[in-house]
Amino acid sequence: QKEVEQNSGPLSVPEGAIASLNCTYSDRGSQSFFWYRQYSGKSPELIMSIYSNGDKEDGRFTAQLNKASQYVSLLIRDSQPSDSATYLCAVRGNYQLIWGAGTKLIIKP
Amino acid sequence: GAVVSQHPSWVICKSGTSVKIECRSLDFQATTMFWYRQFPKQSLMLMATSNEGSKATYEQGVEKDKFLINHASLTLSTLTVTSAHPEDSSFYICSARSGPNTGELFFGEGSRLTVL
Repeated sequence: QKEVEQNSGPLSVPEGAIASLNCTYSDRGSQSFFWYRQYSGKSPELIMSIYSNGDKEDGRFTAQLNKASQYVSLLIRDSQPSDSATYLCAVRGNYQLIWGAGTKLIIKP
Repeated sequence: GAVVSQHPSWVICKSGTSVKIECRSLDFQATTMFWYRQFPKQSLMLMATSNEGSKATYEQGVEKDKFLINHASLTLSTLTVTSAHPEDSSFYICSARSGPNTGELFFGEGSRLTVL
């Protein structure tokens, strides 16, 4: 069974520091990877997608993909209290996304 | 990003009644929509994949006669929870892909169902 694993947290990071979120996946053939942010009581919103090995930067967010090691990570620079949320990692399977359970991130002022 | 609208955002109903939730793609045509359910402090659980003009594909353990899905047009999918019971109380979220070859999903606002 294809799986996506995340540490459930909570991960506590001081304001202004770098938050590092990690995700591993089991299907070596996966090609598409996504990070979603979900605030409590709200639906997920797409933050980043990444398809190639290496880093992809978008503002304060950087997604990193290592297909050989089967992990994908999300870095959040200059963390803000508004970044406090649950971050969901998703990997595209044959016809649907395979979801991690999410990591709860808490940014402390 | 693409916009997906979901309605109603919350609903309270009596046990035994049916509730319909609508999901619309506002600025794109969605041949495929996905319905998720999420219980408090748990991750998303895919219920079914809704395909325009054909029957929905349900995930294992999801009762298709209880959760009726209709995808009559390229911009609208509906989920009807029939004969709702308190254990059906949950956060229901629809999502859609903006294109057939993209894995990016865009989510509706979600519908919180409370069955009394």
